[in-house]
Amino acid sequence: ILNVEQSPQSLHVQEGDSTNFTCSFPSSNFYALHWYRWETAKSPEALFVMTLNGDEKKKGRISATLNTKEGYSYLYIKGSQPEDSATYLCASANFGNEKLTFGTGTRLTIIP
Amino acid sequence: DARVTQTPRHKVTEMGQEVTMRCQPILGHNTVFWYRQTMMQGLELLAYFRNRAPLDDSGMPKDRFSAEMPDATLATLKIQPSEPRDSAVYFCASHGRSYGYTFGSGTRLTVV
Repeated sequence: ILNVEQSPQSLHVQEGDSTNFTCSFPSSNFYALHWYRWETAKSPEALFVMTLNGDEKKKGRISATLNTKEGYSYLYIKGSQPEDSATYLCASANFGNEKLTFGTGTRLTIIP
Repeated sequence: DARVTQTPRHKVTEMGQEVTMRCQPILGHNTVFWYRQTMMQGLELLAYFRNRAPLDDSGMPKDRFSAEMPDATLATLKIQPSEPRDSAVYFCASHGRSYGYTFGSGTRLTVV
């Protein structure tokens, strides 16, 4: 993996269902993986920053896991609500470098 | 809440004109980034500064774009001359010791 890749590109989920999506990133020289939530016409908001292999973070109904050896992270949303509709971005940073390389995002739409 | 302030929010200009976008990072954040949102590439890094010193501007077209931090409270991104292909949303973000980046609301630039 040379770039940060996210899948799927878009997703429609029924309200109340749970869902998850994937971020793949270069595992060599890895330092940190970020997840952001980006609502239309607003700016991205930080959800999680993870650095350790096996790390798992949770904020309400949203959680994320990290596998630095194989270079992937999953974001899970439990019991989706309409307000979860947004684009979810992941981004990775390498050692010695603060700049983040972003994926193109997963656009999530919750169907009431 | 501390926030990153970007001005203007919207700018429409004619091709060939100079455009200056401004960003006030969060007080105490020593790293400032300029990103551009495009349909094709998502968020792409243009330039970033640490303690006001430019660290990486490899993502920026050098012939027409310039980025500066005249002081710790102001970052600028200038395009001269502007072209229609520069139309995009430009985001500034700042980062301190804490958690994730904080993004500004963006400047939506339209070059006609």
